[in-house]
Amino acid sequence: AQTVTQSQPEMSVQEAETVTLSCTYDTSESDYYLFWYKQPPSRQMILVIRQEAYKQQNATENRFSVNFQKAAKSFSLKISDSQLGDAAMYFCAYRPRNQFYFGTGTSLTVIP
Amino acid sequence: EPEVTQTPSHQVTQMGQEVILRCVPISNHLYFYWYRQILGQKVEFLVSFYNNEISEKSEIFDDQFSVERPDGSNFTLKIRSTKLEDSAMYFCASEVDGSSYEQYFGPGTRLTVT
Repeated sequence: AQTVTQSQPEMSVQEAETVTLSCTYDTSESDYYLFWYKQPPSRQMILVIRQEAYKQQNATENRFSVNFQKAAKSFSLKISDSQLGDAAMYFCAYRPRNQFYFGTGTSLTVIP
Repeated sequence: EPEVTQTPSHQVTQMGQEVILRCVPISNHLYFYWYRQILGQKVEFLVSFYNNEISEKSEIFDDQFSVERPDGSNFTLKIRSTKLEDSAMYFCASEVDGSSYEQYFGPGTRLTVT
């Protein structure tokens, strides 16, 4: 079974601080892609960051970076210098081929 | 910046009725998807569509569901006879090709079945 687990339903962080959101996945595939999507309240999901499984180097997009541990099937998202606009639901997603498999999400609160 | 649009934003229907949810994908995209998100739960894949046919579907996508691209712009999801458990947010997404590229999601249609 291909599943994505986000063990933190809710997280909070002080503005300007760093927070890490966890994600693990289960797969027998060797080639796949991993994503973090952000869903602000009442808004559509937008892509935060993407990681190709064949790449050893962790992806980075400005204040967002991942820690990809392929052997452990772990894909955590680190948000540095958190901003109020980062408050949202964050979904980890795994894609072996066509469809996405999403986790249940982590609701991030940013405290001013 | 081009974006995926969906109509209506909220649809209320009675159990047993048919509903059609509409999506306008980004114009140069070739792959289209429907997902649903039951309140408080994860986003679940329903179906993918390419070259005017279904390329992949999940076990959720049973005979009550159908998809269509009736013209060059719209992509629709039809639920033939709605059930209470069909109440969810339905997201459309499109992608320029079927690789690892980003899927662009629409804002969703909230379907409430009473």
